[in-house]
Amino acid sequence: ETGVTQTPRHLVMGMTNKKSLKCEQHLGHNAMYWYKQSAKKPLELMFVYNFKEQTENNSVPSRFSPECPNSSHLFLHLHTLQPEDSALYLCASSQDRQGGWQPQHFGDGTRLSIL
Amino acid sequence: GQQVMQIPQYQHVQEGEDFTTYCNSSTTLSNIQWYKQRPGGHPVFLIQLVKSGEVKKQKRLTFQFGEAKKNSSLHITATQTTDVGTYFCAGPLFTGGGNKLTFGTGTQLKVEL
Repeated sequence: ETGVTQTPRHLVMGMTNKKSLKCEQHLGHNAMYWYKQSAKKPLELMFVYNFKEQTENNSVPSRFSPECPNSSHLFLHLHTLQPEDSALYLCASSQDRQGGWQPQHFGDGTRLSIL
Repeated sequence: GQQVMQIPQYQHVQEGEDFTTYCNSSTTLSNIQWYKQRPGGHPVFLIQLVKSGEVKKQKRLTFQFGEAKKNSSLHITATQTTDVGTYFCAGPLFTGGGNKLTFGTGTQLKVEL
């Protein structure tokens, strides 16, 4: 039990589908993150939310749309994805977003496959 | 751009042998963090180093932060099969949006009996 729960664990979707990934943290943290992890690549930061406000968008294509309704929940809405978007999508949280000082707690991730 | 590199990319060892992974940053870091990701798992925070030249130990793991705060190392003494996984260092690097925790490329450790 990591304190950060992601659903679903696995997702297979066609390029024209619309789906959402969900993340919930039970740690009382104020910052939440979406990362993409592809084979043989470093973890890529996608989005950062601090106290529900988006503070960073790392040039992520608009087919990925984040939503943070409160400090405990984070969503990643997906639409018209491409095969190269197949990857492990990890959600993380930290106490707050203090310039990389805070250790991050990761969920188990969603393994996404685009057909 | 600013980045964090790790070497080696892969390491195979026999159980009982030692293992070291090295992390190098293009700029000075305020702190360095280390994470471990087991196969099929997610990154798990191990430790954070803040001071120049700092050394911390966790059982068989020894973490070191360089004097110039631009490099770090993780050394495992007498590896066990439970040490298998990918080890990442991470440090805050400045981007257009401010400092963000940037992960290194990772070192994948395999331990053979």
